[in-house]
Amino acid sequence: AQSVTQLDSQVPVFEEAPVELRCNYSSSVSVYLFWYVQYPNQGLQLLLKYLSGSTLVESINGFEAEFNKSQTSFHLRKPSVHISDTAEYFCAVSRTSGTYKYIFGTGTRLKVLA
Amino acid sequence: DTAVSQTPKYLVTQMGNDKSIKCEQNLGHDTMYWYKQDSKKFLKIMFSYNNKELIINETVPNRFSPKSPDKAHLNLHINSLELGDSAVYFCASSQVRSSGGSTDTQYFGPGTRLTVL
Repeated sequence: AQSVTQLDSQVPVFEEAPVELRCNYSSSVSVYLFWYVQYPNQGLQLLLKYLSGSTLVESINGFEAEFNKSQTSFHLRKPSVHISDTAEYFCAVSRTSGTYKYIFGTGTRLKVLA
Repeated sequence: DTAVSQTPKYLVTQMGNDKSIKCEQNLGHDTMYWYKQDSKKFLKIMFSYNNKELIINETVPNRFSPKSPDKAHLNLHINSLELGDSAVYFCASSQVRSSGGSTDTQYFGPGTRLTVL
């Protein structure tokens, strides 16, 4: 079975400061990794995903995440946050075969302060 | 055009009632999902259909019954509603490869906030 741990339930950070949202996973089989973002009163949207190849993946709005197999982590980073980045961020894993199911972490609320 | 739409957006009802939530996607995807997000934002899959066939059925009470009349629609019917059913229910869809595994993005609807009084 797979599991996802997001250690921080809330992360307050000042505008233009860097941020890291942590995600660790557990799985006995190979997985794909995802970060989704949920803005207030909206559904989830894909931010970025790691399937294979380069372990560093980037999104179009300045976020990046690095897959670290030895540490079973997929932390999300942004060098300079904006007020508009305030949202809930979910890490998720999916097995590479045999099922279509995502396992989501419990989410991290990023609050960007002016 | 909205990719994944859900109706209603809000649903307030009494315990014991039966209610339905509808979901439609216009992305041409083969696979649709229902998720439940509780008050602590924990998101858990309930069901998944691929080409109208049930492929994931988590440990959900049988008061919950999904129905997929065609691959663009996945409705959720809930009988005998209980207080603990209060949550936000999200529909999602994706294009899944026949080999299994989910590499493709899941597209989520805006959610239906269900409140059981």
